[in-house]
Amino acid sequence: AQSVAQPEDQVNVAEGNPLTVKCTYSVSGNPYLFWYVQYPNRGLQFLLKYITGDNLVKGSYGFEAEFNESQTSFHLKKPSALVSDSALYFCAVREGTGGFKTIFGAGTRLFVKA
Amino acid sequence: DTAVSQTPKYLVTQMGNDKSIKCEQNLGHDTMYWYKQDSKKFLKIMFSYNNKELIINETVPNRFSPKSPDKAHLNLHINSLELGDSAVYFCASSQDSPGIQPQHFGDGTRLSIL
Repeated sequence: AQSVAQPEDQVNVAEGNPLTVKCTYSVSGNPYLFWYVQYPNRGLQFLLKYITGDNLVKGSYGFEAEFNESQTSFHLKKPSALVSDSALYFCAVREGTGGFKTIFGAGTRLFVKA
Repeated sequence: DTAVSQTPKYLVTQMGNDKSIKCEQNLGHDTMYWYKQDSKKFLKIMFSYNNKELIINETVPNRFSPKSPDKAHLNLHINSLELGDSAVYFCASSQDSPGIQPQHFGDGTRLSIL
């Protein structure tokens, strides 16, 4: 069965510093991986996805993520954090073979201090 | 010109009542979803429809019944509401059935059971 783990409930970073939000996954077959962001009282918004190809994926708002097959990880990164990046971030995975379900991680809350 | 819209935004009701939540998407997508987000922000798929056909039906009490009158609409009816049903319910849509394309979320319906 597919699963996704976000080991950190919360990440704190100072504005201007690089940020990393961690995600590891477990699937049968090739993974389809996603990152979403949720602001207060809003629905999830898509940031980026990995389907195949280049392991470094670039997305919205300056975010990028690195797919590492050997470590089964898909960490979200940004070179310079903004206060406005403070939000709840979800990693999600869908199995590449069969099924239609996308499984979401438990979420990581990012706080960026001015 | 909201892409995925849900009504109502807030729903406060008594235990035992029956209520419905409506969802509409104007993106021309074939697949729609219902998710439940609990108080710890954990997001869980409930149902998914592709071209009005049910393709995902998770372990959800049969008090919950989705209905898709057409590709653009997916409603959720809940009978005999219980305290544990209090949550935020999100509707989402995507362009494809296998879930490779990102999902677009509404802003949620906050259901509170008194």
